[in-house]
Amino acid sequence: AQSVTQPDIHITVSEGASLELRCNYSYGATPYLFWYVQSPGQGLQLLLKYFSGDTLVQGIKGFEAEFKRSQSSFNLRKPSVHWSDAAEYFCAVGKDTGFQKLVFGTGTRLLVSP
Amino acid sequence: NAGVMQNPRHLVRRRGQEARLRCSPMKGHSHVYWYRQLPEEGLKFMVYLQKENIIDESGMPKERFSAEFPKEGPSILRIQQVVRGDSAAYFCASSPSPGSPLSTDTQYFGPGTRLTVL
Repeated sequence: AQSVTQPDIHITVSEGASLELRCNYSYGATPYLFWYVQSPGQGLQLLLKYFSGDTLVQGIKGFEAEFKRSQSSFNLRKPSVHWSDAAEYFCAVGKDTGFQKLVFGTGTRLLVSP
Repeated sequence: NAGVMQNPRHLVRRRGQEARLRCSPMKGHSHVYWYRQLPEEGLKFMVYLQKENIIDESGMPKERFSAEFPKEGPSILRIQQVVRGDSAAYFCASSPSPGSPLSTDTQYFGPGTRLTVL
């Protein structure tokens, strides 16, 4: 069965500093991987996704993620964090194109300090 | 293009009452998914529907929960005889039909309905 682990429940980063949020997945075949962001009281917004091809994926708002099959990881990065990036970030895995029964991690809450 | 719409945004029910949650998918999308987010947890898949069809309900509790997506109108998630443990945020997502020219293999999420059971 698919599973996703986000080992960091909370992370605090200073504004302007770099950010890396960890995501490890468990899945037997090539996974379909997503990062979503959830602002307080809001729905989920897709940041980026990986299906195949280049393992470094660019997303919106300056985010990128790197798929590393050998480590079963799909970590999210941003070189310089802005205060508006404070939110909850979810990594998710799906098993195929089309119908995606997404399995989500428990999320990482990002706090940005001045 | 309006996004996925859900209403109500907040719903308060007493134990034993019924809760009806509505989801209107994005224009051009014919597939709807429902997820539940319990406090301090990630989203858990509940059910996947297309118009007039339940495709996968493997995440739905066996009792009290039902979902539909009629030919006309929004998708409805219905919870009968609610209990305190049903308190959660319920998110709807939509996507185009797989294989359609619009297909992006991506689910677009609504703002959620926060259900509180007193």
